[in-house]
Amino acid sequence: GAVVSQHPSWVICKSGTSVKIECRSLDFQATTMFWYRQFPKQSLMLMATSNEGSKATYEQGVEKDKFLINHASLTLSTLTVTSAHPEDSSFYICSATTLPRDRDFYEQYFGPGTRLTVT
Amino acid sequence: AQTVTQSQPEMSVQEAETVTLSCTYDTSESDYYLFWYKQPPSRQMILVIRQEAYKQQNATENRFSVNFQKAAKSFSLKISDSQLGDAAMYFCAYRSEETSGSRLTFGEGTQLTVNP
Repeated sequence: GAVVSQHPSWVICKSGTSVKIECRSLDFQATTMFWYRQFPKQSLMLMATSNEGSKATYEQGVEKDKFLINHASLTLSTLTVTSAHPEDSSFYICSATTLPRDRDFYEQYFGPGTRLTVT
Repeated sequence: AQTVTQSQPEMSVQEAETVTLSCTYDTSESDYYLFWYKQPPSRQMILVIRQEAYKQQNATENRFSVNFQKAAKSFSLKISDSQLGDAAMYFCAYRSEETSGSRLTFGEGTQLTVNP
């Protein structure tokens, strides 16, 4: 099956610094990638949708200047948390969709997630 | 906007027994997919089963089956012969096929415990 990786799996950074999270589709070309945020024991909240070569579309309430998303190629999207603060500590998950294998279904594959802790 | 509701924050089942997780959704669209995802302690999201709204037949995947009631906007997941490895957070999700982007809308989740 299709594999999505994330790096790093866990990162600790100091308040005020920036941290970059990478999302890669390892064996397929991802037309669209999604970034989610998940707090403990809560659901996934969509932050933004990114398409290769174009600007990301952010969900309402998500600060685009704080969460910078770059989808530079069909296999790589990055999320940069700028000037991180303790309240940005969370679990960040990316997912990627492929071109349809059958007539009309776009499969969506999830990365293993990245735990961000801001001290 | 579409919403997905899971009214059972926690459920428990004895090993080898059957459990049903509930999900309701709200939409004005007619073309959509519904999904159940499993998130074990590793936090890797795993697709359990999917259902296309146009298909009347309920989807099944081995021990997992759904009861899709389109008019009632209900989409429950039945797990038969529960195993210890089924313990996880389960999320119901909706995806529109009428708007672009293939984005998923998730429910709040149900934490399933399987007792030996």
